[in-house]
Amino acid sequence: ETGVTQSPTHLIKTRGQQVTLRCSSQSGHNTVSWYQQALGQGPQFIFQYYREEENGRGNFPPRFSGLQFPNYSSELNVNALELDDSALYLCASSRSQTGVNEQFFGPGTRLTVL
Amino acid sequence: AQSVTQPDIHITVSEGASLELRCNYSYGATPYLFWYVQSPGQGLQLLLKYFSGDTLVQGIKGFEAEFKRSQSSFNLRKPSVHWSDAAEYFCAVEGEYGNKLVFGAGTILRVKS
Repeated sequence: ETGVTQSPTHLIKTRGQQVTLRCSSQSGHNTVSWYQQALGQGPQFIFQYYREEENGRGNFPPRFSGLQFPNYSSELNVNALELDDSALYLCASSRSQTGVNEQFFGPGTRLTVL
Repeated sequence: AQSVTQPDIHITVSEGASLELRCNYSYGATPYLFWYVQSPGQGLQLLLKYFSGDTLVQGIKGFEAEFKRSQSSFNLRKPSVHWSDAAEYFCAVEGEYGNKLVFGAGTILRVKS
């Protein structure tokens, strides 16, 4: 069984640019959640996708957007990058959108904004 | 809104000593609670979870946690720490959107030999 994978591993961008991060969910999982983990902090929920629809969003501006594809993989897009967007972005997948199902996390994408 | 407090930013214990990491949560209903571990450069690995029933839950790697509703706590324990346990530990509660996790700021565990 393949776990959650994320690409790229590391990324360096400059302010104002746009970035796309990718996540492949674990086999059999239809729900993907994205989290931002700034240095020295716990992960913060960005949004969740369930069956290709956004299913809940945290306190992040609209320049953070996402997609989920029919194979349940997902993208996180961030427009107009700011320095504070520098963080580890974690993707997690689960069997459904309800809490009793464990979320399996990928290794993350480290984004640096200069 | 849900919140999680981990009072200890860093903890250092000797190898073989016991460990307790503290976690306090704020949530109106019966919480779903989790402990995750993160090694440097790695994602999060689930150690254990509490949904209902027995308030003492067993997890992987010899960890256990006890849910105490009266104290709004879910502390993580291990009777004998190994050097490989050095990592950052996060307590989390399920949020209002179901499956949204609200994390604490984490506790960094250092193990000295």
